[in-house]
Amino acid sequence: DAKTTQPTSMDCAEGRAANLPCNHSTISGNEYVYWYRQIHSQGPQYIIHGLKNNETNEMASLIITEDRKSSTLILPHATLRDTAVYYCIVRAYDMRFGAGTRLTVKP
Amino acid sequence: GAGVSQTPSNKVTEKGKYVELRCDPISGHTALYWYRQSLGQGPEFLIYFQGTGAADDSGLPNDRFFAVRPEGSVSTLKIQRTERGDSAVYLCASSLDSRTGELFFGEGSRLTVL
Repeated sequence: DAKTTQPTSMDCAEGRAANLPCNHSTISGNEYVYWYRQIHSQGPQYIIHGLKNNETNEMASLIITEDRKSSTLILPHATLRDTAVYYCIVRAYDMRFGAGTRLTVKP
Repeated sequence: GAGVSQTPSNKVTEKGKYVELRCDPISGHTALYWYRQSLGQGPEFLIYFQGTGAADDSGLPNDRFFAVRPEGSVSTLKIQRTERGDSAVYLCASSLDSRTGELFFGEGSRLTVL
């Protein structure tokens, strides 16, 4: 599987959009981009995934660049409950997590 | 059940003992994954099953770790001769398939080796 690179940590003001970047420059054509988050002491929670096109659901939007070498997860109106570690994963079959980005939403 | 169930939720054992951790996936999910997570780290992939067979066991750290899924549903992670470094939260997840389905995680089994 391709490796991903994410910033170690980010801050965001409550009510503002949180934009979490991920680089996956070695992604293969059959690998999907997945985003999960983990709130302290809980199991990871699925957020969204995509292959080529941008995707949106009730939680977030996923923007994938045309060359698929990077993506951005957007939480449109961050709340304090969105404070968590966010993982970007590229997946063919197995699912391997990196260190993720620790997002802190501040009042 | 509605979600992925893991038992026990907590296990304390002594160094050198044998431990089994159980995972009951969501009904109908063919793919099952095991991870372990140490404090401050992301989940570390151990093994995943597609049906009854281990499709990828490259994450198992050594031959003290073994996992089975004999009927393609419940899985057991087995750890022999436990060491203090095995202390972690062991997470199980299941997915409708191993290609595109989202993973649903259990709450984990916290293993402490004294």
